[in-house]
Amino acid sequence: DTAVSQTPKYLVTQMGNDKSIKCEQNLGHDTMYWYKQDSKKFLKIMFSYNNKELIINETVPNRFSPKSPDKAHLNLHINSLELGDSAVYFCATTYADGELFFGEGSRLTVL
Amino acid sequence: DAKTTQPNSMESNEEEPVHLPCNHSTISGTDYIHWYRQLPSQGPEYVIHGLTSNVNNRMASLAIAEDRKSSTLILHRATLRDAAVYYCILRGRGYNTDKLIFGTGTRLQVFP
Repeated sequence: DTAVSQTPKYLVTQMGNDKSIKCEQNLGHDTMYWYKQDSKKFLKIMFSYNNKELIINETVPNRFSPKSPDKAHLNLHINSLELGDSAVYFCATTYADGELFFGEGSRLTVL
Repeated sequence: DAKTTQPNSMESNEEEPVHLPCNHSTISGTDYIHWYRQLPSQGPEYVIHGLTSNVNNRMASLAIAEDRKSSTLILHRATLRDAAVYYCILRGRGYNTDKLIFGTGTRLQVFP
């Protein structure tokens, strides 16, 4: 079983569309994150949720809306996609001060 | 802003030891030092972490300076599969507000 699974792995879409990326973890952790890795390979934190509650929101445009229906899921919905949103999005999870577990990433390409 | 600084790149030959340095001069007393690596087209994976004492696991060793302002990740015998970007990050105990900021990392090349 994959500890952190993201779907879809690849997503190609047009500017202006709305899309979602889903993340599920089976580790029983309370905290989940979304990271964005752009073309320069810089990993930047976007959001953090702890037990379904938003903890960190790193000045991400409000076109991005994370949703956590339960503590095993953290989905990312993006409205009105722009070219600059093209990146690889990583979901991650952790417990307390332990290690981070990352998903394999979802590569979003906006045309 | 990243709280750690690392060299942009390093090179090694296969089966040689590799020492990857990281500076974290603003580390607080409760920050853990974590290391992750990212292989091509994969998500980052955990390597090792420590607080004050040196740590060993099956993947690597972590040497932490006495003043904790720097640390070194040691790969005892580099293999081609160790070619990756290695990130050193600080992890506070207040994980609810911990932003876990990744810097640019060190790209390790391993030559046969």
